[in-house]
Amino acid sequence: GESVGLHLPTLSVQEGDNSIINCAYSNSASDYFIWYKQESGKGPQFIIDIRSNMDKRQGQRVTVLLNKTVKHLSLQIAATQPGDSAVYFCAEERSSYKLIFGSGTRLLVRP
Amino acid sequence: GAGVSQSPSNKVTEKGKDVELRCDPISGHTALYWYRQRLGQGLEFLIYFQGNSAPDKSGLPSDRFSAERTGESVSTLTIQRTQQEDSAVYLCASSARDRHYNEQFFGPGTRLTVL
Repeated sequence: GESVGLHLPTLSVQEGDNSIINCAYSNSASDYFIWYKQESGKGPQFIIDIRSNMDKRQGQRVTVLLNKTVKHLSLQIAATQPGDSAVYFCAEERSSYKLIFGSGTRLLVRP
Repeated sequence: GAGVSQSPSNKVTEKGKDVELRCDPISGHTALYWYRQRLGQGLEFLIYFQGNSAPDKSGLPSDRFSAERTGESVSTLTIQRTQQEDSAVYLCASSARDRHYNEQFFGPGTRLTVL
């Protein structure tokens, strides 16, 4: 079946470095994608989204890149901080209400 | 304003017992979602409510799972005759649905452990 997946289950970065978290999706008809951050013991928190008519969107310290040709999504975090340590999920919208989530990447920030 | 709340935060039960999990969405949010998250995994869609109706129940794993929503507000997810494989975190989310795109706000989840 179709799914949203991630290349790396765990990413370890030095504090202050940039982080890049990748996501591959398989449904070429999806037109909306979201990145969520989930800290331990909490529900997922919206970070940033992107529509399929865009290839880049920037937020505060975060950038999402969308490559529809290869069905690839990435989240870039600039100047990674200890508070960025969490599990990051990408999700694609399959219908006007249903989000399909990937299995997540754990980001560990080394002091 | 208040976010999505869920209760209880933790539930330990014995195999075969029934459990009820509660979700209080953000006030005014017409859409409500239940997800299941097994340890180390992503979120598995269970059911979606628009108002008090559930147009999509396709994610419910078996007929032991049911959910209802009343007053376009509180929702209850019920698991009957719990099994050990039901152990997971159950997350609720709500959205305003007044936008074309779907930003869902999540509660902290209920961690269910079936012994």
